Amino acid sequence: DVKVTQSSRYLVKRTGEKVFLECVQDMDHENMFWYRQDPGLGLRLIYFSYDVKMKEKGDIPEGYSVSREKKERFSLILESASTNQTSMYLCASSPRQGNQPQHFGDGTRLSIL
Amino acid sequence: AQSVTQPDIHITVSEGASLELRCNYSYGATPYLFWYVQSPGQGLQLLLKYFSGDTLVQGIKGFEAEFKRSQSSFNLRKPSVHWSDAAEYFCAVGGARTAGNKLTFGGGTRVLVKP
Repeated sequence: DVKVTQSSRYLVKRTGEKVFLECVQDMDHENMFWYRQDPGLGLRLIYFSYDVKMKEKGDIPEGYSVSREKKERFSLILESASTNQTSMYLCASSPRQGNQPQHFGDGTRLSIL
Repeated sequence: AQSVTQPDIHITVSEGASLELRCNYSYGATPYLFWYVQSPGQGLQLLLKYFSGDTLVQGIKGFEAEFKRSQSSFNLRKPSVHWSDAAEYFCAVGGARTAGNKLTFGGGTRVLVKP
């Protein structure tokens, strides 16, 4: 089975801090994704990556950056955390082929105080 | 641009009754369609997927979905709901024209199961 592991289930940070969310997948997938999930809004794509050191903006990239130095690891960075970034963050991965589903981690519930 | 609409935010169903969740999509070519389920505090688990071929697809946990191109719909069904089906359900669309295998998700439908 594909395993997507997010480093923290719950995280509490303060406004203005730099926050790192880590995601690791064990299936050699080319594509990796970061979403945020808010009630009533479903999942919204923040950034995705289709190869090492490659990244593309999603629908809501403002206030975020990402890093993919190794194929298995995709990091989401909040440069200066703000209270409106309090949310559930989900990481996913998929093979390069377009007709393959994404596999999700269990999520990180991030609170910015 | 691709989009997904799940018209029902909440659905309450009695245990043993049938369930149907609606999903309408917009995509400019042949879509790839997915249904995911999310239990509280968990990530998303794939229930089923449609790429081509038979328009009625079977998934895990007794779920099925039917692709209707003329209606741009991909509704999810289950004949008899169990209490463990209480969760949030997401429909998603992607396709061959979508860079990087991106998916667009609907807003979700939360299912409550009455005893």
